[in-house]
Amino acid sequence: QSVVTQSPSASGTPGQRVTISCSGSSSNIGSNSVIWYQQFPGTAPILLIYTDNQRPSGVPDRFSVSKSGTSASLAISGLRSEDEADYYCAAWDDSLNAYVFGTGTKVTVL
Amino acid sequence: EVQLLESGEGLVQPGGSLRLSCAASGFTFSNFAMSWVRQAPGKGLEWVSGISGSGDRTYYADSVKGRFAIYRDNSKNTMYLQMSSLRAEDTAVYYCAKDVSGVGIVVLDKWGQGTLVTVSA
Repeated sequence: QSVVTQSPSASGTPGQRVTISCSGSSSNIGSNSVIWYQQFPGTAPILLIYTDNQRPSGVPDRFSVSKSGTSASLAISGLRSEDEADYYCAAWDDSLNAYVFGTGTKVTVL
Repeated sequence: EVQLLESGEGLVQPGGSLRLSCAASGFTFSNFAMSWVRQAPGKGLEWVSGISGSGDRTYYADSVKGRFAIYRDNSKNTMYLQMSSLRAEDTAVYYCAKDVSGVGIVVLDKWGQGTLVTVSA
């Protein structure tokens, strides 16, 4: 049972904007950076975006993040078919002294 | 190019032990913290354990504390996960991941392809 929760699914048509939420607490999201990972079926996760909208090379600026209090969100603008994947938020938890992943959100492109 | 290669895949009986290895290349291994992350079949990601670049700090999820031990040999550019008292719920693909930090677990910027651990009688 993760201490960080995400909505199980999100969907949109090509070109739309989709937002994924990530809800935690003061000991994780509220006090530490939130990181987002993308995972395609049958493959390893990859780093997608993190602090202050930093993106590894190759990640388009269609992906952006924000944080407010103990919640964070990932926005995908101009949705494309290749964005169909699972998305996970993560943060260090000061109380657990552990890294925690969110429950994950499956994004479907209709 | 950063490469992380896990090994140690296997089928083990409940209560048994297994050691996973993660061989790293393409970066100065001792400068970066590393983690193990697992994913049970059809489930989400679960962070298991992490270790600082020097190896002097280790971190564990409550679910494995006291049963798993993480360590590294910087002379061999390799990280290990010694798993004991294995349970059915430890069945998962285990990924090793490199951090951008040298000490804490912050951003896992590179991942291996994973190795499957199955715990079953």
